[in-house]
Amino acid sequence: AQSVTQPDIHITVSEGASLELRCNYSYGATPYLFWYVQSPGQGLQLLLKYFSGDTLVQGIKGFEAEFKRSQSSFNLRKPSVHWSDAAEYFCAVRNYGQNFVFGPGTRLSVLP
Amino acid sequence: GAVVSQHPSRVICKSGTSVKIECRSLDFQATTMFWYRQFPKQSLMLMATSNEGSKATYEQGVEKDKFLINHASLTLSTLTVTSAHPEDSSFYICSAPGDAGELFFGEGSRLTVL
Repeated sequence: AQSVTQPDIHITVSEGASLELRCNYSYGATPYLFWYVQSPGQGLQLLLKYFSGDTLVQGIKGFEAEFKRSQSSFNLRKPSVHWSDAAEYFCAVRNYGQNFVFGPGTRLSVLP
Repeated sequence: GAVVSQHPSRVICKSGTSVKIECRSLDFQATTMFWYRQFPKQSLMLMATSNEGSKATYEQGVEKDKFLINHASLTLSTLTVTSAHPEDSSFYICSAPGDAGELFFGEGSRLTVL
């Protein structure tokens, strides 16, 4: 069965610092991978996705993620965090159907 | 990107009453929509898959008689929480798949049952 782990429940970084949120997945084939962001009391917004091709994908709001097959990882990065990036971040995996599996989420706090 | 709209964003009801939540795809058609439930500080739990023109598919452990789902058209799915109780209080989110394989989410609906 597919599973997604996000080892960090909560991360705090200073504004302007770099950020990396970890995501590991368990799936037999190459999955479709996603990162979503959720602000408090809101739905989820798609940041970026990976289906195939270049393993470094660019998303909105200055985020990028790198797919590493050997490590079954899809870590999210941003070179310089802004206070408005404080939110909950979810990594997700989709198989060839439409079944999505979401990770437990990582809450990002940003210090001024 | 595609837009999914959910209404109401917040609803408070008395125990024993029913509440309907609407999920609309505004600029695309969705033959399938997904309903999730999210507890505080937790991830999304898939409740059911709504299928236009046929019955919804419920995940294991989700009471289909309590959480009624209707996919009335290619742009509208509704979730009705029947005979709501305080333990049904939660954040409910709907989503619809886009053409490129991603999911687009509604804004969510906060249900509070008194």
